[in-house]
Amino acid sequence: ETGVTQTPRHLVMGMTNKKSLKCEQHLGHNAMYWYKQSAKKPLELMFVYNFKEQTENNSVPSRFSPECPNSSHLFLHLHTLQPEDSALYLCASSQDLSVRTYNEQFFGPGTRLTVL
Amino acid sequence: GNSVTQMEGPVTLSEEAFLTINCTYTATGYPSLFWYVQYPGEGLQLLLKATKADDKGSNKGFEATYRKETTSFHLEKGSVQVSDSAVYFCALSTDRGSTLGRLYFGRGTQLTVWP
Repeated sequence: ETGVTQTPRHLVMGMTNKKSLKCEQHLGHNAMYWYKQSAKKPLELMFVYNFKEQTENNSVPSRFSPECPNSSHLFLHLHTLQPEDSALYLCASSQDLSVRTYNEQFFGPGTRLTVL
Repeated sequence: GNSVTQMEGPVTLSEEAFLTINCTYTATGYPSLFWYVQYPGEGLQLLLKATKADDKGSNKGFEATYRKETTSFHLEKGSVQVSDSAVYFCALSTDRGSTLGRLYFGRGTQLTVWP
């Protein structure tokens, strides 16, 4: 496996379910990101991790809970979601968030989430 | 603050037509500029980048020039193909402040190319 992988690719869940999204990167990066992509809305940055430490939480509701056990893996735990949470959830990674200006992010293919 | 504004889509062109997608930005500090592309069913991929004023990024026939005087980074291609149909995102990364390294994206522009 190379690059950034995400599983599952598609997920349908009820509002009372608990599920998790998984992201794995094979690039040796130290920063990882969760984005939400909804139809007709800008790409929304949700969480940022740098060397396993959360550096940014953009006022995301607590029904979304991230976990970063190591620099290669990132999870997004979901519980009691709402239908408006249906979206494409994208994971990305980059070298790190140190002093460099140029910060290319590599994206996974996303998980298409539908909340019924 | 940091923000990116790109032209509203969708853009529909015939094959071999000339493409321009406008992008302007505001930024604190000295930003690096990017174009990302998202093909149907996939995540975003970096298309090209420019890290300082007057740099021209290019890839796959696409070009964009970092214009500091007009705070712009317009994407162009001389002859589009059906395979270029995708959503294109302009983005910036800044070298200042607590948001170091974060990417700020535009809303995306859907391009459809007909044969």
